[in-house]
Amino acid sequence: ELKVEQNPLFLSMQEGKNYTIYCNYSTTSDRLYWYRQDPGKSLESLFVLLSNGAVKQEGRLMASLDTKARLSTLHITAAVHDLSATYFCAAPSYSGGGADGLTFGKGTHLIIQP
Amino acid sequence: GAVVSQHPSWVICKSGTSVKIECRSLDFQATTMFWYRQFPKQSLMLMATSNEGSKATYEQGVEKDKFLINHASLTLSTLTVTSAHPEDSSFYICSAIKREGLDEQFFGPGTRLTVL
Repeated sequence: ELKVEQNPLFLSMQEGKNYTIYCNYSTTSDRLYWYRQDPGKSLESLFVLLSNGAVKQEGRLMASLDTKARLSTLHITAAVHDLSATYFCAAPSYSGGGADGLTFGKGTHLIIQP
Repeated sequence: GAVVSQHPSWVICKSGTSVKIECRSLDFQATTMFWYRQFPKQSLMLMATSNEGSKATYEQGVEKDKFLINHASLTLSTLTVTSAHPEDSSFYICSAIKREGLDEQFFGPGTRLTVL
């Protein structure tokens, strides 16, 4: 059974600082997804990482995937208040392919203070 | 684009009644749709996988007779919560995979169910 662990689960940081959220998963997968969720809303797709060594950047967020270590990271650079949200990583639940439902981490609740 | 809609966006019902939630892919065909449930301040949990024209596959611990899933076409899947009870109150989110590409799931806006 796939387990996806995120840490930290809660993060309070100041604007302008950098930080990294970690996502470990327990079984082989060639892909990993990152999502953002605002209170009361559904998921917004941030990154789709499809291969070992994949690195993607969008604005102040950068995600990477190391399939050998079963580790993905979401790095926040020079945080701004608008990035306050809950961030989830997720991996395919079974075969590791794209047709699977996803197993999600518990989420990282990020608060960015002025 | 890849837009997924859900209807209704929220529903309040009495205990013992049934509620149907629709999930539609608006601008693409989806061979596979997924249903997730999210309790307050918790993560999403996969409930079932829905394939067009075949029976849904339920995750362990999800009662198939309580959560009826129908995937009648390549753009519509429905989830019916039968004989709903307060513990079924949750945020239900569907997602869909494009027929021509398996790299990404597109999530609907969610349906908030409150059972009184």
